[in-house]
Amino acid sequence: AQSVTQPDARVTVSEGASLQLRCKYSYSATPYLFWYVQYPRQGLQLLLKYYSGDPVVQGVNSFEAEFSKSNSSFHLQKASVHWSDSAVYFCALSKNSNNRIFFGDGTQLVVKP
Amino acid sequence: GPKVLQIPSHQIIDMGQMVTLNCDPVSNHLYFYWYKQILGQQMEFLVNFYNGKVMEKSKLFKDQFSVERPDGSYFTLKIQPTALEDSAVYFCASSGLGGGAETLYFGSGTRLTVL
Repeated sequence: AQSVTQPDARVTVSEGASLQLRCKYSYSATPYLFWYVQYPRQGLQLLLKYYSGDPVVQGVNSFEAEFSKSNSSFHLQKASVHWSDSAVYFCALSKNSNNRIFFGDGTQLVVKP
Repeated sequence: GPKVLQIPSHQIIDMGQMVTLNCDPVSNHLYFYWYKQILGQQMEFLVNFYNGKVMEKSKLFKDQFSVERPDGSYFTLKIQPTALEDSAVYFCASSGLGGGAETLYFGSGTRLTVL
């Protein structure tokens, strides 16, 4: 079976600080991994995705994530957050064969001015 | 970027009634999905749909649920009859292809409240 775990339900950081949102996955093979962001009253938007190659993936708005097979992790990072980054972030995986996506519970990011 | 539109954004109905949730997917996309998110809980897969057929459905996709996309119009999720536990936000998504690496584009969701 496959699953995604986001251990932090809520993360609060100050504007300009660095950020890491954690994600652990469980899957027997190497999955496709995604980070989505959901702003209030909007749908999910893709930040970045990984399926092979360089384990560090660059995404939109200066976000990046690092895939670690040994740790079964795909943590999201940003060097300096802005207040507009406040949103809910979802880590997700899909299997090789189809795009039925399994989501984590989400992490609410609050950026304080 | 590509947009998926969901109509309506909110729907309140009485238990036992029928409800249809509408989704206008990205133009030229071929794969369509519904996800369900109960407040404070995980977003969970309901169903995916391609070429006029349900390709895969989860255990949450009860017999009271049905999906269709007649003649390239809205992709719809119908619940008949509704139950209290159907209260949730329903997200529609679409993608161009069906592979595991394909990006899904999501709508803003329809908040369904069953009284």
